Amino acid sequence: DTEVTQTPKHLVMGMTNKKSLKCEQHMGHRAMYWYKQKAKKPPELMFVYSYEKLSINESVPSRFSPECPNSSLLNLHLHALQPEDSALYLCASSQGLVASYEQYFGPGTRLTVT
Amino acid sequence: AQRVTQPEKLLSVFKGAPVELKCNYSYSGSPELFWYVQYSRQRLQLLLRHISRESIKGFTADLNKGETSFHLKKPFAQEEDSAMYYCALTNTGFQKLVFGTGTRLLVSP
Repeated sequence: DTEVTQTPKHLVMGMTNKKSLKCEQHMGHRAMYWYKQKAKKPPELMFVYSYEKLSINESVPSRFSPECPNSSLLNLHLHALQPEDSALYLCASSQGLVASYEQYFGPGTRLTVT
Repeated sequence: AQRVTQPEKLLSVFKGAPVELKCNYSYSGSPELFWYVQYSRQRLQLLLRHISRESIKGFTADLNKGETSFHLKKPFAQEEDSAMYYCALTNTGFQKLVFGTGTRLLVSP
């Protein structure tokens, strides 16, 4: 299996809801990433996990809470989001954090906050 | 601060014409440079990286440290090359990709 999968594909949530995005890979990769991509903009890094530990948090608001329960799974818990948080959320994975490793991206979850 | 600049939002060429997608960067150290591509309805994927010095799908990119550029070139564009292309950099030791704003390449028959 050489793919990164993300569920759900689409999510609509109100500002008071709590929801989670899920990302999974079975390539044995030990680094996993969350990116946010607004319309017609490039992906922006949010979080990096290495060996299930948070390595980078790019000053993301606390209403986004990442979790890496095991080496294959990465979650992004969402709570009290704002309409401006509507975006495509991309997950990626790589063998490790060394720059030469390729990042494999998932198809994304398109989030709409109403 | 790290920055990647892709000056063209859209590049439109005819099939068989040469293509050059421009990328300039600013970085205080010695970065790793990449080109990522996103075809219609497909996920973002790596096209090539400067450290491997390879040619993928006929595309090449040379890192010019003097001009801080990493332009993507192909001598003869094909219709299937139509896609969104992102230039990206990270530092040499640690993956923290910074993407440029992207260039949409449109190859017409």
